[in-house]
Amino acid sequence: GDSVTQMEGPVTLSEEAFLTINCTYTATGYPSLFWYVQYPGEGLQLLLKATKADDKGSNKGFEATYRKETTSFHLEKGSVQVSDSAVYFCALRRTGRRALTFGSGTRLQVQP
Amino acid sequence: DAGVTQSPTHLIKTRGQQVTLRCSPKSGHDTVSWYQQALGQGPQFIFQYYEEEERQRGNFPDRFSGHQFPNYSSELNVNALLLGDSALYLCASSSGQGMVQPQHFGDGTRLSIL
Repeated sequence: GDSVTQMEGPVTLSEEAFLTINCTYTATGYPSLFWYVQYPGEGLQLLLKATKADDKGSNKGFEATYRKETTSFHLEKGSVQVSDSAVYFCALRRTGRRALTFGSGTRLQVQP
Repeated sequence: DAGVTQSPTHLIKTRGQQVTLRCSPKSGHDTVSWYQQALGQGPQFIFQYYEEEERQRGNFPDRFSGHQFPNYSSELNVNALLLGDSALYLCASSSGQGMVQPQHFGDGTRLSIL
């Protein structure tokens, strides 16, 4: 079945540090890939997406590139802020399917 | 433009009871999906409704049922509650039957079973 694996957290960084959160997936075909962010006490917000190989999704300084050859969709940001502290979820949706499959989430803590 | 709204925000029930959670989709969306998020885990897909019918179901027992109304809002019903049903229940809405456009999530209903 489909699955998403994310690096374990928490990831603790100082403000302005470089961020990478690893995500790899297992799915048949060419799924669409997503990053969602969850702030404390809130639901999930779509951060960025990519729908085909080599696509780069970007939003609010975050980027992720759909790598078919390595089945990966790693999240990066060049300079994190305290306000980026949240839980980040990688997810996929197989073509023609309705359900999102999520990873277990990675908590990011940014210290001033 | 209102986003996805869910009610209630929090709910406390005891084992064996029944519960109904409600969701209003984002304006312009006609498809509603429900997810269960246990503490420290990613959301798990329960089912999706489109045109008032259940279109896809995840690996959840029949105790979990739903409904979609003509105005696209939806309810999630859980019968015979178990301690393991304690979780954050998220509603997500989308257009295009949720297979093309991204899903937008509400803030969830926190269900606690005593």
